[in-house]
Amino acid sequence: QKEVEQNSGPLSVPEGAIASLNCTYSDRVSQSFFWYRQYSGKSPELIMSIYSNGDKEDGRFTAQLNKASQYVSLLIRDSQPSDSATYLCAVNLNVGGGADGLTFGKGTHLIIQP
Amino acid sequence: NAGVTQTPKFQVLKTGQSMTLQCAQDMNHNSMYWYRQDPGMGLRLIYYSASEGTTDKGEVPNGYNVSRLNKREFSLRLESAAPSQTSVYFCASIKDIRFPMTNTEAFFGQGTRLTVV
Repeated sequence: QKEVEQNSGPLSVPEGAIASLNCTYSDRVSQSFFWYRQYSGKSPELIMSIYSNGDKEDGRFTAQLNKASQYVSLLIRDSQPSDSATYLCAVNLNVGGGADGLTFGKGTHLIIQP
Repeated sequence: NAGVTQTPKFQVLKTGQSMTLQCAQDMNHNSMYWYRQDPGMGLRLIYYSASEGTTDKGEVPNGYNVSRLNKREFSLRLESAAPSQTSVYFCASIKDIRFPMTNTEAFFGQGTRLTVV
């Protein structure tokens, strides 16, 4: 069973603080990991991709990957009210040859409190 | 650069009516997908096309059909709409899912909000 698990939240974080979003996945051989942001009524928007163990930083966003623990996280520094959205973790669980694309978690609803 | 374009954006159908959701991408991607998104259920894969000329069922294919018309276009058809098909539908494309080590990020269309009454 292919699974990507996220805490649905809501996760409430004060403005200016660090928001930490977590995701676990079921397949040890997965190679590609993504974070999407989805505003209410809008489509998912890619904000980070990570392919190797460690940290990847892009502006206020840092993605962290630990393949041994099957864990990927997203840190948002200096959180802004505009960061309030649902964050979807996506994993390519098909390294063995399947073609059905990415498996998505159900998303974590993040609220940044002014 | 339009990316992935879906039409229509909104639609209301009566039970039993049929309709086709259109999706086109201009990124020269090989792989295309249709998802539905329902509250508390996340994104669920309906059908996909790994490359032009192929289509396969996803997690929730019942009540739907698809056509990969060419490399750019991938349509989703509801033959006899049911209230259970009320949802938000997203089309997405990936450069080429057959090469999973790189370039497997998905790009989404704007979505179609469908209500079946």
